[in-house]
Amino acid sequence: SQTIHQWPATLVQPVGSPLSLECTVEGTSNPNLYWYRQAAGRGLQLLFYSVGIGQISSEVPQNLSASRPQDRQFILSSKKLLLSDSGFYLCAWRTIDPDAFFGQGTRLTVV
Amino acid sequence: GQQLNQSPQSMFIQEGEDVSMNCTSSSIFNTWLWYKQDPGEGPVLLIALYKAGELTSNGRLTAQFGITRKDSFLNISASIPSDVGIYFCAGQPGNQFYFGTGTSLTVIP
Repeated sequence: SQTIHQWPATLVQPVGSPLSLECTVEGTSNPNLYWYRQAAGRGLQLLFYSVGIGQISSEVPQNLSASRPQDRQFILSSKKLLLSDSGFYLCAWRTIDPDAFFGQGTRLTVV
Repeated sequence: GQQLNQSPQSMFIQEGEDVSMNCTSSSIFNTWLWYKQDPGEGPVLLIALYKAGELTSNGRLTAQFGITRKDSFLNISASIPSDVGIYFCAGQPGNQFYFGTGTSLTVIP
């Protein structure tokens, strides 16, 4: 069966520090991968999506970047975090089936 | 990015009441989906709609894909306390996967 792993679950980082969030998928090949951010009580904002290794599409200009070094690995990064980067980050995958499957999320607090 | 407007933003209802919410987009979608999110968790799929005019049910939930392909509706009948959560619509114009602004549902026993 397919599973998605996202870590860490929670993270507290100082302003100006770097960030690396990792997401891996098991049990499927060549999935579309997505990173979303959710502010408290708000909707899910699509940040990046990828249809293949090394292929990254950015939806919103911002302080973040994404990479896909392997077929089932998706990484969200920042060189210097801002207070506004705080939020709940979710990774998701899908294939031919329109449904998307989500990880458990990372709660990031920038202090 | 694509903006999906969802309404109402929040609802407070008595247990047993029916619930209706809707979602509109500025462009045509090929697929509409409805998700529910519990606190601290990722969204979970409730219903998927694949063609204009389609009406699909999943237990007490019924959703419709609007004829214009720019909107969708979700109804929950006879609400129960475990229906509490945030409901999101989602649409796919292509490889992108956009979510609505969410409807927060509170069910009062």
